[in-house]
Amino acid sequence: QKEVEQNSGPLSVPEGAIASLNCTYSDRVSQSFFWYRQYSGKSPELIMSIYSNGDKEDGRFTAQLNKASQYVSLLIRDSQPSDSATYLCAVNRVADKLIFGTGTRLQVFP
Amino acid sequence: DAGVIQSPRHEVTEMGQEVTLRCKPISGHDYLFWYRQTMMRGLELLIYFNNNVPIDDSGMPEDRFSAKMPNASFSTLKIQPSEPRDSAVYFCASRGQEVYEQYFGPGTRLTVT
Repeated sequence: QKEVEQNSGPLSVPEGAIASLNCTYSDRVSQSFFWYRQYSGKSPELIMSIYSNGDKEDGRFTAQLNKASQYVSLLIRDSQPSDSATYLCAVNRVADKLIFGTGTRLQVFP
Repeated sequence: DAGVIQSPRHEVTEMGQEVTLRCKPISGHDYLFWYRQTMMRGLELLIYFNNNVPIDDSGMPEDRFSAKMPNASFSTLKIQPSEPRDSAVYFCASRGQEVYEQYFGPGTRLTVT
């Protein structure tokens, strides 16, 4: 079992819809969770961090964390073609290290 | 803030040559991380430093790889000798002492022929 698992996609959604990206992790002691967006040929860009169970909203983005289910998700409302990218889930499991999932490719079509 | 700076942005070299990648972390950040990204293996942590001291180098693939951080504003990742399988994008990231958010540099795309 991978430490951080994501569906590779692609996840295709129409413009204006809600995109839902999911991530599961294996280690219950994980405390910090992050979503990075990576455009093709670019570096990962931090878009959300979440530390507590529940929802955290920032603009069109909402991160959701459920530690009991070992599940973290990212919702993108009013999806735009510019949101088309690979979204990486990262988990702080041991000390200072982040463990990254392999990413979900999102495609938003007009 | 200028963000994390990496150089060169692209490097093409022949097998057997020495390659040196450079990174300047965000000013004030105490942690520096070196990652490698490939299609097959995704984003892998190679090594990280705290206050210029290497903390965990368990991700360094083999002795051909070495990393140094002589001061708080500069780090190098060296590959000697390079091999075609080292071809990848190498990222440097940094973070502050009290937070876990890491910020990535633009990366160096390495091609070894």
